[in-house]
Amino acid sequence: QVQLVESGGGVVQPGRSLRLSCSASGFTFSQYAMHWVRQAPGKGLEWVAVISNDGSAKYYLDSVRGRFTISRDISKSTLYLQMDSLRDEDTAVYFCVRDGDMIVVPAAYYFDSWGQGTVVTVSS
Amino acid sequence: QSVLTQPPSVSGAPGQRVTISCTGGNSNIGAGYDVHWYQQFPGIAPKLLIYDNTKRASGVPDRFSGSKSGTSASLAISGLRAEDEAAYYCQSFDDSISGSAIFGGGTKLTVL
Repeated sequence: QVQLVESGGGVVQPGRSLRLSCSASGFTFSQYAMHWVRQAPGKGLEWVAVISNDGSAKYYLDSVRGRFTISRDISKSTLYLQMDSLRDEDTAVYFCVRDGDMIVVPAAYYFDSWGQGTVVTVSS
Repeated sequence: QSVLTQPPSVSGAPGQRVTISCTGGNSNIGAGYDVHWYQQFPGIAPKLLIYDNTKRASGVPDRFSGSKSGTSASLAISGLRAEDEAAYYCQSFDDSISGSAIFGGGTKLTVL
């Protein structure tokens, strides 16, 4: 079955960096676009970024564009989110999410499998 | 403030039918983009319920159904059960924002 396991979360000061990883298994990683979705404490869901199945297309939420970078290593079936210049408002649970359809470029933009999430806290 | 508007809460007694609305605009639902629905229990990752407006995800009982019309969509839950008590989110795509998926603010369903 599909498994997505995030890691790399933690407590970090404003302005610093953090890299999240997501190890994928149970499906052909290279056939699906992948997303990061976040949820601030007590708040709703917010889409953060997407990368196409082959890594050629990347799109971001306006508030993170230029600070966050999504990438993937198909040989390792791993998705990444490099987060730089972190702000208090980036505090959230970050979910690694699989796109709902195969080989749709850049993505079908719905989310059929979710990881358990990793907590990022930005605080001085 | 979310681009897609949902009621903050709805409630119903066991066995009843409830609906959750999701209102968008001409750059998202009204532009023809599909609507998808997710269920989330506290402290747990969301789960896909309905995709492409009306299709049930694998394993989702037929008590859950989706519809879309114009700039709005709805999730209906019939034969309400205690275990349906959760938060529900609608989601679509918005072409006024480069490559952005968008969510509604979420609706907390209480089973009385």
